[in-house]
This record gives sequence, C-alpha cells and structure tokens, in this order.
Amino acid sequence: DVKVTQSSRYLVKRTGEKVFLECVQDMDHENMFWYRQDPGLGLRLIYFSYDVKMKEKGDIPEGYSVSREKKERFSLILESASTNQTSMYLCASSTNGGTGELFFGEGSRLTVL
Amino acid sequence: AQRVTQPEKLLSVFKGAPVELKCNYSYSGSPELFWYVQYSRQRLQLLLRHISRESIKGFTADLNKGETSFHLKKPFAQEEDSAMYYCALSNDYKLSFGAGTTVTVRA
Repeated sequence: DVKVTQSSRYLVKRTGEKVFLECVQDMDHENMFWYRQDPGLGLRLIYFSYDVKMKEKGDIPEGYSVSREKKERFSLILESASTNQTSMYLCASSTNGGTGELFFGEGSRLTVL
Repeated sequence: AQRVTQPEKLLSVFKGAPVELKCNYSYSGSPELFWYVQYSRQRLQLLLRHISRESIKGFTADLNKGETSFHLKKPFAQEEDSAMYYCALSNDYKLSFGAGTTVTVRA
C-alpha cells in the first residue's frame, strides 16, 4: 500500500519557536508538496519540489521554508512560528509519469500559542 | 491566473436524494480537473478525474468548458457520502484547490 507519512500528527509550539514538519513517501515519487488546510479557504500550496534539492514557491510561501535532501523526504520549516500559522498541514506526492493524482499524508495539526 | 470556486460551503441532503456539488474554474489553457474527498478521520484522496470519465461510488462529473464548470453529481446520496469534497485544477503537476464543500447526508 503506497504511503505518505507525516511524522507528527499534533504539535503545540510557542510563538517564535522553530518548527520542523517531516514528510516521507515510499512511492519513489519525483514531486512533493506542502499545503495548509484551513476552513473556508481550502488547501493552499506553500512550497513544492520536483526533484532532490529543488524547490519552488507556491501561493503562500511567506514565513516558511523547505528542504529536500533525499527523494523520499520533504521537510517544511517554520523559522519563527506565529499564531497565524496555526493550521493543518498536508504533505502530498505525485509522479511525473502518472495521472496527476496527488497522494496525501494524514496531516499535521499545528497549534502556535 | 487560475482559480477554483466552490460556492457552497455546506450542503445537507436526505438519504436517497440527489446531490450536486458545484465547481467553477478559470484557466487559460486546457484544464485538467479533479474531485478529491476527505472522509472523517481519513486522509484526502482522489475521487475522480475528468479525463477518465468514470463513475466512482456513484458520482459523476462532466467538464463543461462553455460554462467553465465541473460539477459533481450523484443521483441517490448515501450516508457514507458525508464528507468534505474539494474540486481541484491541475497546472503542470501542481493542483489548485477550491475552498471545499462539506456534505452531510441525513437519514
């Protein structure tokens, strides 16, 4: 069964803390994505990567950075967490030779106090 | 710029009644459209793609380029259809999502 795994399901952090969200996929997918999911706003793309060490800004990259040192792993970093970054974060992956389908992780719910 | 609009945040229907979720898009090229579904406590997953023109779990969606719409329909809703539904538009390999519609099917 193909899988996208997000290491932390629930996190509580304080304002100003550095936060790491980790995502691993076991499908050898080239493309990986980070979205945030907010009620009434849907999913908004933060960053994506189409290859190792490559990254592209999505629609809302401010306050975030990413790292992709290995093909299977894509990390989202909040350098200095703020309360408006309280949200559900979804990682996803896809392959270039596929149907365009994104495979999602279960999500990481981050609360910033 | 591409955009996906789902005008209904909430949709409540009775079991056995038809259900239609609206999705409109703006895109300058040839669109590829998807419907994703998220059941309670489950991960977001693909429901159907317009290219495949298939029916999944009784749902169908037709791409109407003239009206720039991709509405999702099911003639007889079931309680297990209660979920959050997202319409999505592909640009290269990125997806832009609508705001989502929460569907509640009442017995």
